[in-house]
Amino acid sequence: EDQVTQSPEALRLQEGESSSLNCSYTVSGLRGLFWYRQDPGKGPEFLFTLYSAGEEKEKERLKATLTKKESFLHITAPKPEDSATYLCAVQLRSNYQLIWGAGTKLIIKP
Amino acid sequence: NAGVTQTPKFQVLKTGQSMTLQCAQDMNHEYMSWYRQDPGMGLRLIHYSVGAGITDQGEVPNGYNVSRSTTEDFPLRLLSAAPSQTSVYFCASSYAPTGTEAFFGQGTRLTVV
Repeated sequence: EDQVTQSPEALRLQEGESSSLNCSYTVSGLRGLFWYRQDPGKGPEFLFTLYSAGEEKEKERLKATLTKKESFLHITAPKPEDSATYLCAVQLRSNYQLIWGAGTKLIIKP
Repeated sequence: NAGVTQTPKFQVLKTGQSMTLQCAQDMNHEYMSWYRQDPGMGLRLIHYSVGAGITDQGEVPNGYNVSRSTTEDFPLRLLSAAPSQTSVYFCASSYAPTGTEAFFGQGTRLTVV
């Protein structure tokens, strides 16, 4: 069964304390892996797409990486405004559909 | 630039009632989809459309209908609401179904009592 698992469920960090969020997947064939950010009461907002193992993408304090089994979202020197739920989703080669993880709720304390 | 607009933002229904969740996008995107988001679970696809006149079922289609008469609009109909349909519903659109950024609406929080 195709599955996407995100860990941890929640992560509390002090401002400036770097860390990583994990998205592991077991799927029949990967077309692409997506990272989104979701603020409370809002819809998800696109961050990155990764297509192949070894690929990396960066945006401000965020860097996403991809291996054959998992993806990491590294956050460097986070600020309180980085607090949000981070979602990852995998798109299968076989169809257009996305399989979503449950998300990691990130809280950055000033 | 409005992007994806969903209405209403909040709704309370009684069991057995029907209603339509509206979704409109102004980006001329061909691909549109409806998801539901429940606590502790990932987004789950209800229905999707790859263009006007073309719709298909996602992972959890039972109890929901869709139609796509124009590129801009993709309404979701609840036929006979049940408490299990209490959820937050998101509409999304993208230029293409694969590998492209999806734009989401702000969501509709639906409670069925």
